[in-house]
Amino acid sequence: AQSVTQLGSHVSVSEGALVLLRCNYSSSVPPYLFWYVQYPNQGLQLLLKYTTGATLVKGINGFEAEFKKSETSFHLTKPSAHMSDAAEYFCAVIASNDYKLSFGAGTTVTVRA
Amino acid sequence: DTAVSQTPKYLVTQMGNDKSIKCEQNLGHDTMYWYKQDSKKFLKIMFSYNNKELIINETVPNRFSPKSPDKAHLNLHINSLELGDSAVYFCASSVQGVETQYFGPGTRLLVL
Repeated sequence: AQSVTQLGSHVSVSEGALVLLRCNYSSSVPPYLFWYVQYPNQGLQLLLKYTTGATLVKGINGFEAEFKKSETSFHLTKPSAHMSDAAEYFCAVIASNDYKLSFGAGTTVTVRA
Repeated sequence: DTAVSQTPKYLVTQMGNDKSIKCEQNLGHDTMYWYKQDSKKFLKIMFSYNNKELIINETVPNRFSPKSPDKAHLNLHINSLELGDSAVYFCASSVQGVETQYFGPGTRLLVL
């Protein structure tokens, strides 16, 4: 079975500062990893995903994440936070031979002016 | 133009009632899903259909019954609604299981 742990339920950053959201996964088979963002009262939007190949993945809105197999991590970063980045962020994992996407508990990001 | 759409967007109802939520995708995907997001924003898979065949059926009360009339539609019917059913229900679709899942805007259900 696959599972995801997001460290920190709430992250507060200043505008222009680095955003770092931590995600660790557990999977018995090679995982596919995703980061989704949810803005208030909206559905989930894909930020980026890792399947195979290059371990540094770039996504939309300046976000990127690095797959580190040895650390079972898939942390999300953005060099410079913008007010519009305030949202809920979810890390998710699916096994390469499965249909079941397992989500982390989410991290709420607030951006201070 | 909406890729995954859900109706209704909001649903307020009394305990004991029966209600349905509809989902449609125009992406040509083979697989559709229902998720429940609770008040703490935790997301959990409920059901998944692939080409109208049920492939995921999590531990969900049998008051919940999904129906897929065709590949583009997946509906969720809930009987005898309870207070604990209050949540946001998301529909999603994907080409195959491991591919990106595209989510609808959600249906906010409030049971009084």
